[in-house]
Amino acid sequence: QKEVEQNSGPLSVPEGAIASLNCTYSDRGSQSFFWYRQYSGKSPELIMFIYSNGDKEDGRFTAQLNKASQYVSLLIRDSQPSDSATYLCAVRGNSGYALNFGKGTSLLVTP
Amino acid sequence: NAGVTQTPKFQVLKTGQSMTLQCAQDMNHNSMYWYRQDPGMGLRLIYYSASEGTTDKGEVPNGYNVSRLNKREFSLRLESAAPSQTSVYFCALTTGANSGANVLTFGAGSRLTVL
Repeated sequence: QKEVEQNSGPLSVPEGAIASLNCTYSDRGSQSFFWYRQYSGKSPELIMFIYSNGDKEDGRFTAQLNKASQYVSLLIRDSQPSDSATYLCAVRGNSGYALNFGKGTSLLVTP
Repeated sequence: NAGVTQTPKFQVLKTGQSMTLQCAQDMNHNSMYWYRQDPGMGLRLIYYSASEGTTDKGEVPNGYNVSRLNKREFSLRLESAAPSQTSVYFCALTTGANSGANVLTFGAGSRLTVL
């Protein structure tokens, strides 16, 4: 079984702070990496994806990938209460388009 | 969840009953997926279909059957429901190829309870 591991949380940060969410994966052949946000009772929605080692920024979100360490993270700058949700890390291997998901990290941004 | 329609949204079954979850897309994409989501277990792939007429097992296929008779629809069938199949089921499509990223787009989900 190809594992994707995340801390379940909850991770609590004050409004305006940086939230750091982490994910590790077991399959060294993994090609692409995704972060989804899921509000309670809703379906997952894509935040961003990353393919290459290094950082990728999109607004308040930055994804970081280190393939040597098999580690991917998501930073949320200037966290807002509306960012409170579960964040799912997902990994795609080197065949097909199906994603393997972590169990998610619950984030709580307190006013 | 524009473009991915799941029905029904909610369903309660008794053990042993059968039912079919329907998923339909209006975006002309080839790959479709069924995931289930359980508390503490994350999203797990049940079955997927790379194209019309083809299906493949995912991580947790036991107790389920699927059908992809045309490009637009991908159905998930429970022949004899069990309480262990109580879950939220999500249909998903692979979209976004033109942007260089094949991402999954999810439907709104179907919440199934088996008593």
